[in-house]
Amino acid sequence: GAVVSQHPSWVICKSGTSVKIECRSLDFQATTMFWYRQFPKQSLMLMATSNEGSKATYEQGVEKDKFLINHASLTLSTLTVTSAHPEDSSFYICSARGYNEQFFGPGTRLTVL
Amino acid sequence: AQSVTQPDIHITVSEGASLELRCNYSYGATPYLFWYVQSPGQGLQLLLKYFSGDTLVQGIKGFEAEFKRSQSSFNLRKPSVHWSDAAEYFCAVAGGGGGADGLTFGKGTHLIIQP
Repeated sequence: GAVVSQHPSWVICKSGTSVKIECRSLDFQATTMFWYRQFPKQSLMLMATSNEGSKATYEQGVEKDKFLINHASLTLSTLTVTSAHPEDSSFYICSARGYNEQFFGPGTRLTVL
Repeated sequence: AQSVTQPDIHITVSEGASLELRCNYSYGATPYLFWYVQSPGQGLQLLLKYFSGDTLVQGIKGFEAEFKRSQSSFNLRKPSVHWSDAAEYFCAVAGGGGGADGLTFGKGTHLIIQP
């Protein structure tokens, strides 16, 4: 089946540093990928839609300068959390669109100290 | 704006008993509806989806869901649960066809299975 991977699976960083999270579609090409954020015991919130070769579309309230998204190829999208702060600590999940549905990665746990 | 409500935060069911997880949605047009399951350390897995046609949808792992437009509901059911069904379940709605749009998720229902 369609597999989506994320790297790293967890990361701890210091406040003020930047962190890059990769999302890869392993066995299919995805022109569209999505980034979600999930707080503990809460739902997934769509952050942005990533389209290969064009700028990402951000949801209302999501700071595009803080959460940089790059979809450089048909199998890779990256989310960079710039100047991370403790309030950015969360579970970040990507999905890739393929075969008329979305396939989700396992998520990346970010902890900012 | 579209929204999804899952009124039950936790549900406890005995192994072998039947299960129904509730989901209500708000969307102006014909919705595309999904149920996902999330297990610790694993990504969300699609259980089933409804786009059009038969309002009773069969999914994987013995799950089914019924779309009721008059009630704006898309409840998930299983006739007999197994201990391995313990997980977090999310109902979601999309405005665009299939996976074209980002999904709006409910808050999730945590399913606990009693032996």
